[in-house]
Amino acid sequence: SAVISQKPSRDICQRGTSLTIQCQVDSQVTMMFWYRQQPGQSLTLIATANQGSEATYESGFVIDKFPISRPNLTFSTLTVSNMSPEDSSIYLCSVTGQQETQYFGPGTRLLVL
Amino acid sequence: AQSVTQPDIHITVSEGASLELRCNYSYGATPYLFWYVQSPGQGLQLLLKYFSGDTLVQGIKGFEAEFKRSQSSFNLRKPSVHWSDAAEYFCAVVANNNDMRFGAGTRLTVKP
Repeated sequence: SAVISQKPSRDICQRGTSLTIQCQVDSQVTMMFWYRQQPGQSLTLIATANQGSEATYESGFVIDKFPISRPNLTFSTLTVSNMSPEDSSIYLCSVTGQQETQYFGPGTRLLVL
Repeated sequence: AQSVTQPDIHITVSEGASLELRCNYSYGATPYLFWYVQSPGQGLQLLLKYFSGDTLVQGIKGFEAEFKRSQSSFNLRKPSVHWSDAAEYFCAVVANNNDMRFGAGTRLTVKP
């Protein structure tokens, strides 16, 4: 399985600001995913990030709010833009291994005041 | 509509007791099925997965799950729960295009 790290692990931000979350994988992977887990909720897929192409966003998520970069096969970033308290969540990245299995990073815990 | 259902939001069991967490799915074909565990303040850890073959799959930490096609279920079981098993458990499926969908989760509390 892949080893995935995320930075920062947690942050407290003021509304109206932006935060960029980094996801680093220890091996080259084709597909990376970004999820949001709101307090007490399950995971919701934000977007799929493929290297060399624009991210594919799920319904309810837009590029202006959650721009994603995927400069190479081991790294991706998710930016949460113009934050509001409703953006307070855990943000997780994941990668696909063998047989459609997804492996997750430790998550970034975001609190917006 | 395609969905993953975990009927139990919260379950409490005594340490040493057996455990069963329910998961039902609604997809046209048999999807790939997963169980993940999320301990407080942690990310998601894969417990086990089912793709094909033997319908009873063994996972880490003494967990197992059984795929029942007739019931569209993939319930997670453990014969004897430990206090360290207290966590949130998520059932997930992959049906198309690497699209993983999660159930709402079941929070497990373990009583001493």
